[in-house]
Amino acid sequence: ETGVTQTPRHLVMGMTNKKSLKCEQHLGHNAMYWYKQSAKKPLELMFVYSLEERVENNSVPSRFSPECPNSSHLFLHLHTLQPEDSALYLCASSQGNSGGPEETQYFGPGTRLLVL
Amino acid sequence: AQSVTQLDSQVPVFEEAPVELRCNYSSSVSVYLFWYVQYPNQGLQLLLKYLSGSTLVKGINGFEAEFNKSQTSFHLRKPSVHISDTAEYFCAVNAKAAGNKLTFGGGTRVLVKP
Repeated sequence: ETGVTQTPRHLVMGMTNKKSLKCEQHLGHNAMYWYKQSAKKPLELMFVYSLEERVENNSVPSRFSPECPNSSHLFLHLHTLQPEDSALYLCASSQGNSGGPEETQYFGPGTRLLVL
Repeated sequence: AQSVTQLDSQVPVFEEAPVELRCNYSSSVSVYLFWYVQYPNQGLQLLLKYLSGSTLVKGINGFEAEFNKSQTSFHLRKPSVHISDTAEYFCAVNAKAAGNKLTFGGGTRVLVKP
């Protein structure tokens, strides 16, 4: 596989469930990101990892817990979510060599999450 | 703080007609500017980006954008659209001193009609 992949593509969970979203990049990049895309709202940056260190947590509630075990994999662990957390969750990666804002981000297809 | 405004949420356009998608940004510092496209059921894909130099930037699929510093705009254009250009288009800005923290606009949905 090439590029950025995300699994699962669709997920339905109850408010008491615990689930995890997985992202894998095959581009040799050093930086990875989680975004939330809700209907009628701009994409929201959630977390940024560079060289497996979290460098940004954009005021995300603690019911979302990211994990970056290595530079190719990124997880988003979910627990006790609310219906308003239903959204498309996008993962992205970039080269991350310079941490530069000029870098292109490469996005996965997203996981569409529905919280009941 | 930086922000991006995409003035049109939806743009219907006939096939082979030109299209312009408007983007205005605000930032207290110098910025890099991006346009991304999202096709149905897919992630975002870079169309083009402005880093420095010529204010007219050419991207993939025949798209181009012009950076206008005085008007703080970065409008996207294509002279002749195809059905396959039906997608959502996102303008984004990243301040040069901000690290990798893209701020996106709300998106413009383009519907190309035959």
